[in-house]
Amino acid sequence: DAKTTQPPSMDCAEGRAANLPCNHSTISGNEYVYWYRQIHSQGPQYIIHGLKNNETNEMASLIITEDRKSSTLILPHATLRDTAVYYCIAVSGTYKYIFGTGTRLKVLA
Amino acid sequence: DVKVTQSSRYLVKRTGEKVFLECVQDMDHENMFWYRQDPGLGLRLIYFSYDVKMKEKGDIPEGYSVSREKKERFSLILESASTNQTSMYLCASGTTGRYNEQFFGPGTRLTVL
Repeated sequence: DAKTTQPPSMDCAEGRAANLPCNHSTISGNEYVYWYRQIHSQGPQYIIHGLKNNETNEMASLIITEDRKSSTLILPHATLRDTAVYYCIAVSGTYKYIFGTGTRLKVLA
Repeated sequence: DVKVTQSSRYLVKRTGEKVFLECVQDMDHENMFWYRQDPGLGLRLIYFSYDVKMKEKGDIPEGYSVSREKKERFSLILESASTNQTSMYLCASGTTGRYNEQFFGPGTRLTVL
C-alpha cells in the first residue's frame, strides 16, 4: 500500500473552505484514496473516497490530480465541529489501511 | 447505522494481568480489525480477521492475540499486560469487496500500571 504524507496542522476560519492536501506519489493504479477524520476521543469516521475522478458527498469534496500523485479534501464551509485530525489513506484490495499521523485542522471562530 | 461497540471506554490493569478487549459489530461485516493509537505514531494495525476463526497479523502483533468465534465479535487479548501496552485501542469492521470503508468503535483507553 502506498504511503501518504500530509501537513501536520492547518487553521481555517469558520465559514471558509478548508483545503487539506495529501501527497501519495507512489500510489498504484488499483489503490483508492480514502479520507477519514477523528474528533477528539472518538474513533475515526469515514468521509469520502475516490479512485481517479473527483467525488462529492454531503460532507466534502475530493479532488484527485490527473496523475493521481496527490489529492485535496475540501470542506466547503468549515464549522467549529470540523476541528479534528484528518487522515488520507491509500487502500488496495487487501483492505489494509496504513494510517499516517494526519493533519490536525483547527477551525477558528 | 453501522454500530461498532467496545466493551469499555476506560480500563486500568496491572502489569502481568491478562486483559480482554471485546468488540461487537451489528452489520454482518466479514472483516474486523484491531488498532492501537499512540501520540505521534498514528493508528497501527495489530490484527485483523476476514472470517470467523480466521486471523492475520498486522504490523505490531507482538504481545497480543485475537479470537473470533462469532462473526459479530472480535476479541483482543493481552496475555500478560505490560506498561508499554498502555494505549488507545480501536476496533473497526468492514466489508470485503470493491469499497473498503471501515467503521470504527469509540475506542478503549487502556492504562497498564
